[in-house]
Amino acid sequence: GAGVSQSPSNKVTEKGKDVELRCDPISGHTALYWYRQRLGQGLEFLIYFQGNSAPDKSGLPSDRFSAERTGESVSTLTIQRTQQEDSAVYLCASSLGDHTGELFFGEGSRLTVL
Amino acid sequence: AQSVTQLGSHVSVSEGALVLLRCNYSSSVPPYLFWYVQYPNQGLQLLLKYTTGATLVKGINGFEAEFKKSETSFHLTKPSAHMSDAAEYFCAVWGQNFVFGPGTRLSVLP
Repeated sequence: GAGVSQSPSNKVTEKGKDVELRCDPISGHTALYWYRQRLGQGLEFLIYFQGNSAPDKSGLPSDRFSAERTGESVSTLTIQRTQQEDSAVYLCASSLGDHTGELFFGEGSRLTVL
Repeated sequence: AQSVTQLGSHVSVSEGALVLLRCNYSSSVPPYLFWYVQYPNQGLQLLLKYTTGATLVKGINGFEAEFKKSETSFHLTKPSAHMSDAAEYFCAVWGQNFVFGPGTRLSVLP
């Protein structure tokens, strides 16, 4: 596709349920990032994939959060046993993988946990 | 490890006035620095970046930023604010991964 695609765009779930968020990066982009943006706040780094290297998971806030990436394509972010504080917009970005390049962001997935 | 601080979570300027958004960083390796902008209900987009070379970099919509190593700063400026500049601005640094600052919301008053 032409840009980074994220789905669903909106997700409302009940506390305790699991959710999966999907990100389709730009074709050919080897680097993929997940960020969390709470209402009125900045971007909180979650996880970073670069090619076939081991992902940088240093930003994941708890073991309820996990992410996978299939090769250099789709990534899924999974949140288990959701809590109300997980409510946020989850942003995915991709880049060519050289750190001089630009991050291309998706529109985000807005998660609301009731 | 790297980090980014942005002084002022909210800045208001009058239309036509100078815009100055402050960014300071820390990085254990030579940094690459970025400013991103998020317009209301839109995704983030790159405004400008510093990687190597000239320390004064120009971006889209008349914005520019100067990398000052001695001050560990990368402040964003625009000589004359326009109503359409109202947005959230994020400073970011690449060291080991991309780290973003908390953002500054710019309001432009008529």
